[in-house]
Amino acid sequence: QSVLTQPPSVSAAPGQKVTISCSGVSSKIGNDYVSWYQQFPGIAPKLLIYKSDQRPSGIPDRFSGSKSGTSATLDITGLQTGDEADYYCGTWDSSLSAYVLGPGTKVTVL
Amino acid sequence: EVQLVQSGAEVKKPGESLKISCKGSGYHFDTYWIGWVRQIPGRGPEWMGTIYPGDSDTRYSPSFKGQVTISADRSTATAHLQWTSLRASDTAMYYCARSDYYAAGIYYDYWGQGTLVTVSS
Repeated sequence: QSVLTQPPSVSAAPGQKVTISCSGVSSKIGNDYVSWYQQFPGIAPKLLIYKSDQRPSGIPDRFSGSKSGTSATLDITGLQTGDEADYYCGTWDSSLSAYVLGPGTKVTVL
Repeated sequence: EVQLVQSGAEVKKPGESLKISCKGSGYHFDTYWIGWVRQIPGRGPEWMGTIYPGDSDTRYSPSFKGQVTISADRSTATAHLQWTSLRASDTAMYYCARSDYYAAGIYYDYWGQGTLVTVSS
């Protein structure tokens, strides 16, 4: 059972926008940056966002991240069928001294 | 090109030992943390722990401390994850991944392809 909370699923039509939330208590998101990963079935996770709002090179600007207080958000604009995947947030939990990851959100393109 | 290449799938019986590996290339292996992540089929990934190959500083998640051993061999640029007595509940995909940091600011920018461990009698 994760200490971070994400919606199990979100969906939208191609070209639309989806927002995935990630919430946690102060010892987690409130104290540290958030990272986001994209995972396709049977494939290793891929870093999409680090330090809450930074994109690694090669990640399209359709993917954006933000953080406010004890919540973080991943926005995907201009949704494409290739964006159908599971998305996980992660952050450092200072109370556990551990990196914690959310339960994941499945994005479906209608 | 940064690469983390993991050892192949394993099928083991309960009680057996196992050591899986993760070989880094394309970067200075000593100066990045290598983390291990477990993913049970159908569930989210779980962070197990991490090692800094430069000085073998090793940290474990409370959930995995005492259950596994993480090590690294600088001479071969390889990190390892080891069990002394496997259980059926250890059946999962295991990933290694690279990070600049341990603790605050941590994120994993490169990942291995995963090693599937199946424990069954």
